[in-house]
Amino acid sequence: NAGVMQNPRHLVRRRGQEARLRCSPMKGHSHVYWYRQLPEEGLKFMVYLQKENIIDESGMPKERFSAEFPKEGPSILRIQQVVRGDSAAYFCASSPPGSPHYNEQFFGPGTRLTVL
Amino acid sequence: AQSVTQLGSHVSVSEGALVLLRCNYSSSVPPYLFWYVQYPNQGLQLLLKYTSAATLVKGINGFEAEFKKSETSFHLTKPSAHMSDAAEYFCAVSDLAYGNKLVFGAGTILRVKS
Repeated sequence: NAGVMQNPRHLVRRRGQEARLRCSPMKGHSHVYWYRQLPEEGLKFMVYLQKENIIDESGMPKERFSAEFPKEGPSILRIQQVVRGDSAAYFCASSPPGSPHYNEQFFGPGTRLTVL
Repeated sequence: AQSVTQLGSHVSVSEGALVLLRCNYSSSVPPYLFWYVQYPNQGLQLLLKYTSAATLVKGINGFEAEFKKSETSFHLTKPSAHMSDAAEYFCAVSDLAYGNKLVFGAGTILRVKS
């Protein structure tokens, strides 16, 4: 059973460009989470999605950031007009159906975004 | 609000010595607690989790953690460190009051000396 897949693993963008990060959850998992890890910091929650629904986006910056998890295909985290402060590692995690509070979240390898 | 404090951003032990990584949490309701390990340039791997069953939780690679409600702690231990344990360790909390997200501590980098 393949794990959580993220691509690209490394992404370089110039200021003002758009960044698209993709996440394919584990097979059978219907919950997807995005976290951001800034240098020297722990992971910070950004958004929690189920298929076609955003459940909790309390950690998402109000501007330039959006996320989706369509009925078909991977979850996408989109960052418009990137700035240097967006440089970070972005991790996707998934968990199976059912009460997610105590379910393990399985993490992907992350996408390391560098903004020049 | 939930929060997690990991005491010591860096811990150094000798190979074969006891590993103790500290984690204290705050939560308004009974929490679920997790320890994850991250190797360089990789994602996080679950070591163990507490979900209100036994207070002493055993995980992978010889790690265990004890939930102490009175101390709001969930410290991670391993009796004998191995070189392969060198990594960054994160404690995280989840509870019903704040939805499904994990709140992470800042992490502790474990160094194992030969």
